[in-house]
Amino acid sequence: GAGVSQTPSNKVTEKGKYVELRCDPISGHTALYWYRQSLGQGPEFLIYFQGTGAADDSGLPNDRFFAVRPEGSVSTLKIQRTERGDSAVYLCASSSGVEERTAIDPLTYEQYFGPGTRLTVT
Amino acid sequence: SQQGEEDPQALSIQEGENATMNCSYKTSINNLQWYRQNSGRGLVHLILIRSNEREKHSGRLRVTLDTSKKSSSLLITASRAADTASYFCATGGANSKLTFGKGITLSVRP
Repeated sequence: GAGVSQTPSNKVTEKGKYVELRCDPISGHTALYWYRQSLGQGPEFLIYFQGTGAADDSGLPNDRFFAVRPEGSVSTLKIQRTERGDSAVYLCASSSGVEERTAIDPLTYEQYFGPGTRLTVT
Repeated sequence: SQQGEEDPQALSIQEGENATMNCSYKTSINNLQWYRQNSGRGLVHLILIRSNEREKHSGRLRVTLDTSKKSSSLLITASRAADTASYFCATGGANSKLTFGKGITLSVRP
């Protein structure tokens, strides 16, 4: 089946503008994650959805960042008043949420990543 | 913040040789995962090892985990030019978010 898809693949915007980044998870995956990756760094967690609700938004850097997942499938990451420091690759991942019976933590998931959206703020 | 620290930061080997990459982490974990990334995009999940496992194999990949030393290693045997990529270890906490290291750049010379 199809993997995680993200649109657009590239987005160039001017400082101060508003942007929306979209993620389509693997069909049937209940968990969805957003990460941000700056050049030469590993991805950094932003927010995690379980179904429609944000289970953990501790990684959002400030209140200019917001994400929604209204129907429990597609998610949109919204950035207001963009700054040059927001330039990065924004990655989305999804996981099945299937309970791993042998795991110490029954909520251990494997995450599958999309190709990312490269955001450039000029 | 990034929990994992990979070592070395860059590795260059000849095709056919084995590549060993190490990862250390700081806090207790439920699982540790290794990912590959080509050209700064598209993370590909390689293998997951849970905290109650010590070793796991998948094709040419072998992962070990030592929770007492808070470290893991990824071995790629009989490397190929197509293995050239960045490799990341990531630890999974109880809420399932992943915390990545900065990555290792592997170059396999044909």
